[in-house]
Amino acid sequence: SQTIHQWPATLVQPVGSPLSLECTVEGTSNPNLYWYRQAAGRGLQLLFYSVGIGQISSEVPQNLSASRPQDRQFILSSKKLLLSDSGFYLCAWSVLGSGTDTQYFGPGTRLTVL
Amino acid sequence: KQEVTQIPAALSVPEGENLVLNCSFTDSAIYNLQWFRQDPGKGLTSLLLIQSSQREQTSGRLNASLDKSSGRSTLYIAASQPGDSATYLCAVRPPRAGNMLTFGGGTRLMVKP
Repeated sequence: SQTIHQWPATLVQPVGSPLSLECTVEGTSNPNLYWYRQAAGRGLQLLFYSVGIGQISSEVPQNLSASRPQDRQFILSSKKLLLSDSGFYLCAWSVLGSGTDTQYFGPGTRLTVL
Repeated sequence: KQEVTQIPAALSVPEGENLVLNCSFTDSAIYNLQWFRQDPGKGLTSLLLIQSSQREQTSGRLNASLDKSSGRSTLYIAASQPGDSATYLCAVRPPRAGNMLTFGGGTRLMVKP
């Protein structure tokens, strides 16, 4: 069966510090991968998606970046965090053509920037 | 640009009641619509997915309907239980490739024993 992992689960970082959040998927090959952010009082916003290794598309301009060094690994990064980067970050995967076309979400990372 | 709205934002009901959550979207050109459940501080769990050609989907006590032409979907929960307490999110997928979802703001449901 497929599983998706995110770490760390929680993170408190000062403004201006770097960020690296990791997401890995097991039990599937060539998944589509997604990073979402859920800020307090706001809906779920798609940040990045990837259809393959090294292929990243950004949905919104920001000081975050994403990378996909391996088929089942998706990393969200920042060189300098802003207060507005605080939120709940969710990684998700899907496989097009699987019949269900459902996105499956990880447990999330709670980021607080102080 | 697709916009998804969920009403109400919060709902509190006594245990045993049947209830309806609403989702509306501005662009009727969708590929599918999904309903998710999110428990506090947790990720999302997919509940039901309705393809654009379908009218409804059922899973246990849950029934989701889709009226694509009017840009509306409802999630019906029968005989609600305290364990149903969570935030319910709907999301629509456009017909283009990539499976990018646009989410509504969610309805926070509290079922009181």
